[in-house]
Amino acid sequence: DSGVTQTPKHLITATGQRVTLRCSPRSGDLSVYWYQQSLDQGLQFLIQYYNGEERAKGNILERFSAQQFPDLHSELNLSSLELGDSALYFCASSSRTGGSGNTIYFGEGSWLTVV
Amino acid sequence: GNSVTQMEGPVTLSEEAFLTINCTYTATGYPSLFWYVQYPGEGLQLLLKATKADDKGSNKGFEATYRKETTSFHLEKGSVQVSDSAVYFCALENTGNQFYFGTGTSLTVIP
Repeated sequence: DSGVTQTPKHLITATGQRVTLRCSPRSGDLSVYWYQQSLDQGLQFLIQYYNGEERAKGNILERFSAQQFPDLHSELNLSSLELGDSALYFCASSSRTGGSGNTIYFGEGSWLTVV
Repeated sequence: GNSVTQMEGPVTLSEEAFLTINCTYTATGYPSLFWYVQYPGEGLQLLLKATKADDKGSNKGFEATYRKETTSFHLEKGSVQVSDSAVYFCALENTGNQFYFGTGTSLTVIP
């Protein structure tokens, strides 16, 4: 158990809908990362937050947004869903910023299926 | 920019065979390098890491050496077991704490 909790574990929704994925980082971790894993594109970095502020942005679509709340949990909002958004979405967390050798810990992921 | 390229899979080996999964990277500055493993139905977990050139990371019989001159971090294990069947990801962390992952290499070990 990594200590990173993601909900829901599985989600099936229709095209055009909106969903919210939730992540609770490990206790004390200030950084949260979101990744998308699909069969054809591997593990894609979406966005990183540190202590409530956006830190880095990767290949995140405009239809997707995220935030990190004062209690450090994070939500990833996916809207106007398309079939191609079907994927496994991972949240990860870490305790440090700056320096090197910073290990990130992954949750078990949220499986999203768009039908 | 930063990127990681790793060996295409899938890889199938017999138990007790020698394993090498190649990984090369492109980075600005001096990144840290990682291998993560993903078992079926689970999230990624850290296998080993190295934070500077010539460092060797090791764990559970796996090893990888940070080679700055060849920008490589190849994963090796002398004798694989069925329980090593998983997907292996090479990754780098840049100085901004952003992580870049390779596409993953699926390993299947058969008895």
